[in-house]
Amino acid sequence: AQSVSQHNHHVILSEAASLELGCNYSYGGTVNLFWYVQYPGQHLQLLLKYFSGDPLVKGIKGFEAEFIKSKFSFNLRKPSVQWSDTAEYFCAVGRTGTNAGKSTFGDGTTLTVKP
Amino acid sequence: NAGVTQTPKFRILKIGQSMTLQCTQDMNHNYMYWYRQDPGMGLKLIYYSVGAGITDKGEVPNGYNVSRSTTEDFPLRLELAAPSQTSVYFCASSPDALYGYTFGSGTRLTVV
Repeated sequence: AQSVSQHNHHVILSEAASLELGCNYSYGGTVNLFWYVQYPGQHLQLLLKYFSGDPLVKGIKGFEAEFIKSKFSFNLRKPSVQWSDTAEYFCAVGRTGTNAGKSTFGDGTTLTVKP
Repeated sequence: NAGVTQTPKFRILKIGQSMTLQCTQDMNHNYMYWYRQDPGMGLKLIYYSVGAGITDKGEVPNGYNVSRSTTEDFPLRLELAAPSQTSVYFCASSPDALYGYTFGSGTRLTVV
């Protein structure tokens, strides 16, 4: 069965620090990759996605992620975090073929940014 | 645009009761999904639909049923509620398999 692993459950950073959240998946086929964010009191929203082409993708609010196929990884990065980035972040892997559209989510990483 | 609308936002059910969680989207998306999120866990797929009249089970379908009579609506039915169904339920939609999801705001359900 496909699984998604987010290595850090809770990350605490100071403003202006750099961020990298790890995401690894286990699935041998072609995948679509997503990062979602849930700000306090808000619903989940798409941060960025990858399905083909340049493995370095840029999303909203200065976030980017790199797909490394050989490592089955899709890590999220931001050079300088802000207090407003405090949120929960979910990595998701979408299948293709007959299971197209269905996504498996990681358990999430809670990011706390101290002002 | 409203996006994905879920009702109710909160509900407390007694064991054995039934209820329907409503989900409506106004984006003409073909794909719709129901996920549940337990504390400290990721989202688990309950049911999904790739178009009106077509539904299929996800990872955790037991105790739930769905229907998709229109493109817009994808209600989730809980029959004989159990404490294990206490969770936050999210409905989502997408235009096709390559796009990410648009989520609703969730329904927090407690079964006592």
